[in-house]
Amino acid sequence: NAGVTQTPKFQVLKTGQSMTLQCAQDMNHNSMYWYRQDPGMGLRLIYYSASEGTTDKGEVPNGYNVSRLNKREFSLRLESAAPSQTSVYFCASRGPNEQFFGPGTRLTVL
Amino acid sequence: AQTVTQSQPEMSVQEAETVTLSCTYDTSESDYYLFWYKQPPSRQMILVIRQEAYKQQNATENRFSVNFQKAAKSFSLKISDSQLGDAAMYFCAYRSRRGGGADGLTFGKGTHLIIQP
Repeated sequence: NAGVTQTPKFQVLKTGQSMTLQCAQDMNHNSMYWYRQDPGMGLRLIYYSASEGTTDKGEVPNGYNVSRLNKREFSLRLESAAPSQTSVYFCASRGPNEQFFGPGTRLTVL
Repeated sequence: AQTVTQSQPEMSVQEAETVTLSCTYDTSESDYYLFWYKQPPSRQMILVIRQEAYKQQNATENRFSVNFQKAAKSFSLKISDSQLGDAAMYFCAYRSRRGGGADGLTFGKGTHLIIQP
């Protein structure tokens, strides 16, 4: 039982490049989330998926797209990366009593 | 929209002493959850304690307890007998129960807790 896994752990991009952050959970949870964490800030919600086949915008969705591929997987895509998207990205899934977080991806956009 | 405010960017406490971290929140809802998460330098988010708004009794988990004041919209975390391993960022978070609560957590900006040996 791995919980929530994220790949990659680190990534450096140039402005304008695209990439997809991968997330998977093996706890059979319906709801999954993407957050970003900037210095001096708490986590902020980018997108969430209440169930397979549905996605909704969170607080800071601009510049991102998501795909809920199946119940296990929820990916986050940056189509044209910008320096303002330099951040640590966390994926999470929600159980009955708490959200379980992945280890995070540190993304730097030059 | 809900907001969560942590007014203490940094706190310092001597090992074995007690420290209280403050959190206030703003919401028009009556049914929700509140959480404290710990984030050590490894950056892993770890749930410390959870409180359901409809429960008057304050939650307790070993050395960690909360003081939940619903009318004042206050949710403080007390750490007793502080240990070096408690050193971390602590985040207060809110989740609505509206719509099944699927719309994620709202976090405060965090309090950096330093434990002095």
